[in-house]
Amino acid sequence: DTAVSQTPKYLVTQMGNDKSIKCEQNLGHDTMYWYKQDSKKFLKIMFSYNNKELIINETVPNRFSPKSPDKAHLNLHINSLELGDSAVYFCASSPGTSGVGEQFFGPGTRLTVL
Amino acid sequence: GENVEQHPSTLSVQEGDSAVIKCTYSDSASNYFPWYKQELGKGPQLIIDIRSNVGEKKDQRIAVTLNKTAKHFSLHITETQPEDSAVYFCAAKDYKLSFGAGTTVTVRA
Repeated sequence: DTAVSQTPKYLVTQMGNDKSIKCEQNLGHDTMYWYKQDSKKFLKIMFSYNNKELIINETVPNRFSPKSPDKAHLNLHINSLELGDSAVYFCASSPGTSGVGEQFFGPGTRLTVL
Repeated sequence: GENVEQHPSTLSVQEGDSAVIKCTYSDSASNYFPWYKQELGKGPQLIIDIRSNVGEKKDQRIAVTLNKTAKHFSLHITETQPEDSAVYFCAAKDYKLSFGAGTTVTVRA
């Protein structure tokens, strides 16, 4: 009965490859997010989707393309991986966008680019 | 955009003592201030939050204070226990959540 789940938990790949991370939430939330946590543990939002529509794109390179097939899923596809993409990527969800409310985070996907 | 600064970056306390983490924010439009706890290998988890129309909130051993005029808010943990050891993040929300850099708290037994 995991609230926000991500797969895979670990991802090790070579520079230049393309990879995807999947996220699913069973909380019935309307909004989902992708965050990047770097090696210094700094957390920064990348994207936010509300009911399958992109509402926040924080100047992320075009190599990153989120896709939301339905409001319970938000996947992240990364093309032409670079060394600097190595980080932990967290998916999160929340009930709404404009108001206040808890964001529930997934367990994270640790991406290592060699 | 919003800029959140968090201090200290590391904090070591004796079990049973109190821990205080302080944050400042820049955008007066921010109206929601959550605190997250992140344990090793896990995602951040909300421990307490405060809205802009409230000055203080308490939940058992955890309390948060907000000074909107000065644009700062603080987390207070009393009677610390070893399981309080983790990384704590403050955040402020205008149209998105902006996080502080985190405080690594170590509770010494």
